[in-house]
Amino acid sequence: DAMVIQNPRYQVTQFGKPVTLSCSQTLNHNVMYWYQQKSSQAPKLLFHYYDKDFNNEADTPDNFQSRRPNTSFCFLDIRSPGLGDAAMYLCATSREVAGGLETQYFGPGTRLLVL
Amino acid sequence: RKEVEQDPGPFNVPEGATVAFNCTYSNSASQSFFWYRQDCRKEPKLLMSVYSSGNEDGRFTAQLNRASQYISLLIRDSKLSDSATYLCVVNPTGSGGYNKLIFGAGTRLAVHP
Repeated sequence: DAMVIQNPRYQVTQFGKPVTLSCSQTLNHNVMYWYQQKSSQAPKLLFHYYDKDFNNEADTPDNFQSRRPNTSFCFLDIRSPGLGDAAMYLCATSREVAGGLETQYFGPGTRLLVL
Repeated sequence: RKEVEQDPGPFNVPEGATVAFNCTYSNSASQSFFWYRQDCRKEPKLLMSVYSSGNEDGRFTAQLNRASQYISLLIRDSKLSDSATYLCVVNPTGSGGYNKLIFGAGTRLAVHP
C-alpha cells in the first residue's frame, strides 16, 4: 500500500509554463520535504514543512514555491520552468518521536521534462 | 569540499563476492547516519541506520568511524538483486531538529552472474 504518493509520475511542460507537482501521504507524518534529484547526483533538499512551518533552503531558487494546505498534502510549484529544472522531484515525510525525528520515507517521485 | 563524499563507482562484482563501500562526511558533529538504496529511476529506500557500535542486517554490515569521519557498508555474498546505487546519508547537528538529511551522490553497484 502506497504511503507517500506523488502525482503525476511523469510531467512534461513547456519552457516558462507554470507546473505543479503534488504529494500526499497516509502516514500522518508532520514533516514533509521536497527534493530535486538530477541524473547521477544526490537528492538536493529544496524546502520542508514542520507542521505548517515552512523552511526554505538558502540556495533554493525563487522559482520554486511550496504549499501545504493540510497534513496530508504538499505541493511544489515551479513558476517558470527552465531547461535546467528537468529532474526527478522527490517528496518525503518523517514524524516526530521521543528524542527526535524518525528517518524519511520517500514517494516514487515525479520526473519532470521541460521542452 | 562536499559534505558527504562517496566513490561513484561503478563497482562491478560477480555473484557471491563481498564488496565494501566507504563514505566520508565533513561535519564532525554529525549524529545520525544511514545507508539508502536507490534503484534506477526509483526513490531512495532506507537500507539501514548506522550505529556507533556497528550493526549487521543479514548480509549487510554498517560501520561508523567517528575519529576518521567515515562510514562503511559491507555486502557479503552479493546477489544480482543487490545491483543498485547506495546512498550514504548524514543528519548533521544544528538542523533545528528537523531531521535534515545530507545525501551523498551514491555508489553504483553492478552484480553480474
